[in-house]
Amino acid sequence: QKEVEQDPGPLSVPEGAIVSLNCTYSNSAFQYFMWYRQYSRKGPELLMYTYSSGNKEDGRFTAQVDKSSKYISLFIRDSQPSDSATYLCAMSVGTALIFGKGTTLSVSS
Amino acid sequence: DTGVSQNPRHKITKRGQNVTFRCDPISEHNRLYWYRQTLGQGPEFLTYFQNEAQLEKSRLLSDRFSAERPKGSFSTLEIQRTEQGDSAMYLCASSPYKTDRVGEAFFGQGTRLTVV
Repeated sequence: QKEVEQDPGPLSVPEGAIVSLNCTYSNSAFQYFMWYRQYSRKGPELLMYTYSSGNKEDGRFTAQVDKSSKYISLFIRDSQPSDSATYLCAMSVGTALIFGKGTTLSVSS
Repeated sequence: DTGVSQNPRHKITKRGQNVTFRCDPISEHNRLYWYRQTLGQGPEFLTYFQNEAQLEKSRLLSDRFSAERPKGSFSTLEIQRTEQGDSAMYLCASSPYKTDRVGEAFFGQGTRLTVV
């Protein structure tokens, strides 16, 4: 079992849909949780940062962390074609980030 | 541009040759990381510097790989005697040390290595 599991998709939705992306993990020592967006042939771009459990909202994006279930989620409201990218979850105990495989999202207009 | 800068963006090399990549982190970020990403996978951690000190190395970093960060500014990653399995995107990231944002990292655009 990998430390971080993420369904690679692909996930296809129409413009305006609510998108839910998820990761599970096995290491209970993880305390820092991040979501990155990566466009093709580019470096990952930090979208959301969460410490420990709880919710965090930033514009159309909401990140949730449930440490008791070892489960994290990213919700995208009113999805746009420009949201089409690969979304990577990442987590850490302090230095190195452990990434999921990434979920490829396609939003059609 | 004040982001993480990596050079070159692309490198094609023959098997057995040595290659070196450079990373210029965001100014005043004292933490610097190297990751490797292959197609369809998330980035995998290679090594971490705090200032000029290399504090962590992944077991993925074989003896053919060496990284330096002289003077705690830019960093180089060298791969000796390249193999086809080294073909990947090599990503550099940096972060400041902030107690409320531990683990946060900002990535460069990567260097894509192809070994033929």
